[in-house]
Amino acid sequence: EAGVAQSPRYKIIEKRQSVAFWCNPISGHATLYWYQQILGQGPKLLIQFQNNGVVDDSQLPKDRFSAERLKGVDSTLKIQPAKLEDSAVYLCASSLARLAPSSYNEQFFGPGTRLTVL
Amino acid sequence: DQQVKQNSPSLSVQEGRISILNCDYTNSMFDYFLWYKKYPAEGPTFLISISSIKDKNEDGRFTVFLNKSAKHLSLHIVPSQPGDSAVYFCAASDNNDMRFGAGTRLTVKP
Repeated sequence: EAGVAQSPRYKIIEKRQSVAFWCNPISGHATLYWYQQILGQGPKLLIQFQNNGVVDDSQLPKDRFSAERLKGVDSTLKIQPAKLEDSAVYLCASSLARLAPSSYNEQFFGPGTRLTVL
Repeated sequence: DQQVKQNSPSLSVQEGRISILNCDYTNSMFDYFLWYKKYPAEGPTFLISISSIKDKNEDGRFTVFLNKSAKHLSLHIVPSQPGDSAVYFCAASDNNDMRFGAGTRLTVKP
């Protein structure tokens, strides 16, 4: 079974430039997550999709970050314009749809995209 | 807000001995707890989990203990192997949200 795919693996840009990341989840996984992991910290959820709808984007800096999952499969995360503090690894994860509020479905992570903003 | 804390950034143990990684949380609404393992240049991979209705879950060399009254969980690896060297993240989940600790880097020396 193919895992979560992400591209590019590495990206270096200057501040105020724009950047986009792509994620293709595991086939059949309805839920897709984007996380930001700053060096020395744990992953922080930016946005969660259920199919093509947003479930939670409360921690997404909406003035500069945007994400879409138009067909409910792959997803893109964009930063425009980038700031120095956006330097981080951006992780995409996917899971099966949550069956019930008390259940939990394992999240499978991609390898991440390491963004450096100069 | 640090709802999940891993206070030890690193841990070094000898091969064959026990590794104990600790995690504390503050939100009593968390009902599911997980440990993820991360190698360099790879995404985190799921290791073991525990529901809040249990106090122990075991899978081979890995055991997770949950103390709800203390809001504390721990991961025991015994015996530790050099291949266990990685960063271990503790995570806690409620209905919609999963929060991660900052991670503990485990080094198992041969």
